[in-house]
Amino acid sequence: DAMVIQNPRYQVTQFGKPVTLSCSQTLNHNVMYWYQQKSSQAPKLLFHYYDKDFNNEADTPDNFQSRRPNTSFCFLDIRSPGLGDTAMYLCATSRDRGSTEAFFGQGTRLTVV
Amino acid sequence: EDQVTQSPEALRLQEGESSSLNCSYTVSGLRGLFWYRQDPGKGPEFLFTLYSAGEEKEKERLKATLTKKESFLHITAPKPEDSATYLCAVQAIAAGNKLTFGGGTRVLVKP
Repeated sequence: DAMVIQNPRYQVTQFGKPVTLSCSQTLNHNVMYWYQQKSSQAPKLLFHYYDKDFNNEADTPDNFQSRRPNTSFCFLDIRSPGLGDTAMYLCATSRDRGSTEAFFGQGTRLTVV
Repeated sequence: EDQVTQSPEALRLQEGESSSLNCSYTVSGLRGLFWYRQDPGKGPEFLFTLYSAGEEKEKERLKATLTKKESFLHITAPKPEDSATYLCAVQAIAAGNKLTFGGGTRVLVKP
């Protein structure tokens, strides 16, 4: 059974039109991450939550926001998507601070047109 | 700044032809080094965690090893179903939970 579930799997949005991607987890993990992965590139961390504590990477554009209303759910909001935001967006979880492996969802492939 | 470099970028193998993938890293205080497998259009799937130099882990045809500067993923007698991109990532003690990924090695195993 899937433990980290991302919806939708595919999303097409227009340039400048706000879009929200969702992630849910059944693992009851404290940490949730959002990564951006462009074609043939390494995943790049955008931000992560430790419980309700939000940690933003220094080079994450202001256009990207996140919400974590409860342990199970986390959302990625892109306020005004640009063509350069076309990418796979990966949600991941890990049990606790400094714990080992992160478990990834299947990703949402976002295309901005 | 933590850095991870993987080589080669792509690898074409015949079924049964063993090979090794390299992951070189620079990190100030390594908490762990991770190997993931990623199939096209899917999220990374966890394979191994290595914590200290000299450590080795195995899973089916895959074996991961770690030194102070690099890690190798050995694929023994690969099958076509081993075709995937293999990602290496490091977690630094000072970086909290952040994983820094390498660019990956795309492996294609032909029957």
